[in-house]
Amino acid sequence: NAGVMQNPRHLVRRRGQEARLRCSPMKGHSHVYWYRQLPEEGLKFMVYLQKENIIDESGMPKERFSAEFPKEGPSILRIQQVVRGDSAAYFCASSPQASGGRGQFFGPGTRLTVL
Amino acid sequence: QQQVKQSPQSLIVQKGGISIINCAYENTAFDYFPWYQQFPGKGPALLIAIRPDVSEKKEGRFTISFNKSAKQFSLHIMDSQPGDSATYFCAATTQGGSEKLVFGKGTKLTVNP
Repeated sequence: NAGVMQNPRHLVRRRGQEARLRCSPMKGHSHVYWYRQLPEEGLKFMVYLQKENIIDESGMPKERFSAEFPKEGPSILRIQQVVRGDSAAYFCASSPQASGGRGQFFGPGTRLTVL
Repeated sequence: QQQVKQSPQSLIVQKGGISIINCAYENTAFDYFPWYQQFPGKGPALLIAIRPDVSEKKEGRFTISFNKSAKQFSLHIMDSQPGDSATYFCAATTQGGSEKLVFGKGTKLTVNP
């Protein structure tokens, strides 16, 4: 029974490039949350998606960041024209329904380094 | 604005000792308070959680104490073991809506043998 899968685990980009982070939720889970963890900081909510819908994007930066969760395939967090400040660990969590942590299972994260 | 404040930032405890981590929150709408354990290179894993209608919850060596009037809650790890060495995060959320988690900044616990 595979858990939440994220890839790549490590991603290195140069300033100005695009970063694409993928998250495959646990089987049977249709809700996905993305969080960002800066060094020495806690996780900060970015966006909450259900299949084909963005439910809450109140934590997403207004520019360069976008997320999607298509009917088929993984959820994708996309960062355009990356800057050094985007270097962080990005975690995806999935749940079978909006569960406030009661059923949010986290993936291993993608560590993004911007050179 | 930090809605959940966590302390201490780091904690060193001897094997067999008690580890205590404290959190305080501001938003009285929060109604669910989980604790997560994170090992290096891994994602957070739910450890234990509490709702504000109870003052204490115990699961094995882990206990959450909750003080609603003070808007504070804490994690106690009894008989701490070297395998407990990890970073611990408190969090809070509100039932309904997106139920996004608001995290504290974390406490790095080291349990010496």
